[in-house]
Amino acid sequence: GAGVSQSPSNKVTEKGKDVELRCDPISGHTALYWYRQSLGQGLEFLIYFQGNSAPDKSGLPSDRFSAERTGGSVSTLTIQRTQQEDSAVYLCASSLGWGSQPQHFGDGTRLSIL
Amino acid sequence: DQQVKQNSPSLSVQEGRISILNCDYTNSMFDYFLWYKKYPAEGPTFLISISSIKDKNEDGRFTVFLNKSAKHLSLHIVPSQPGDSAVYFCAASESEDYKLSFGAGTTVTVRA
Repeated sequence: GAGVSQSPSNKVTEKGKDVELRCDPISGHTALYWYRQSLGQGLEFLIYFQGNSAPDKSGLPSDRFSAERTGGSVSTLTIQRTQQEDSAVYLCASSLGWGSQPQHFGDGTRLSIL
Repeated sequence: DQQVKQNSPSLSVQEGRISILNCDYTNSMFDYFLWYKKYPAEGPTFLISISSIKDKNEDGRFTVFLNKSAKHLSLHIVPSQPGDSAVYFCAASESEDYKLSFGAGTTVTVRA
């Protein structure tokens, strides 16, 4: 499709395991963003990519979180040694370029840590 | 510290009537504002935006009003339709910036 694609749509895992979440942005969009939505909360910014570079990682909640982007396209968000507080919906968005709006969102990955 | 606030968690309105959603912000550097609509199990969908150089932007049934001095914006939906039932998020960004700050959302229910 033409929109932002995220996989898996749902992920259930045990506390302490590592998880990888994938985002495939809209073709031609050079900017890619990760957000997190915890239950009853608004979206919380995590990290942003322009091309393959992530100029600002300050939104990542802890050093257990990392993200990369290769080829200026697909991005993966990795959470190591998951904790129950990591349970949330992880949303990816893309836009034409740095500072460009609007951002277009995927349907998210619902992560549940048991 | 939440910089964008939507103080009404829910709104119920009769079909055909006006829905008014409110949003307040604290960061005076914000100069671009957006509204997103979200259905369950889907990602937010961009609805309408406004730059701080304007005080009103209209797109069909949707109008966004911006009051910079009050740091307040609102979204009007006229007339409201059953398909408008969703969660609406207000978001803001600084120019030349990259990230959006979101409010907690308002759940709109349109009654037939």
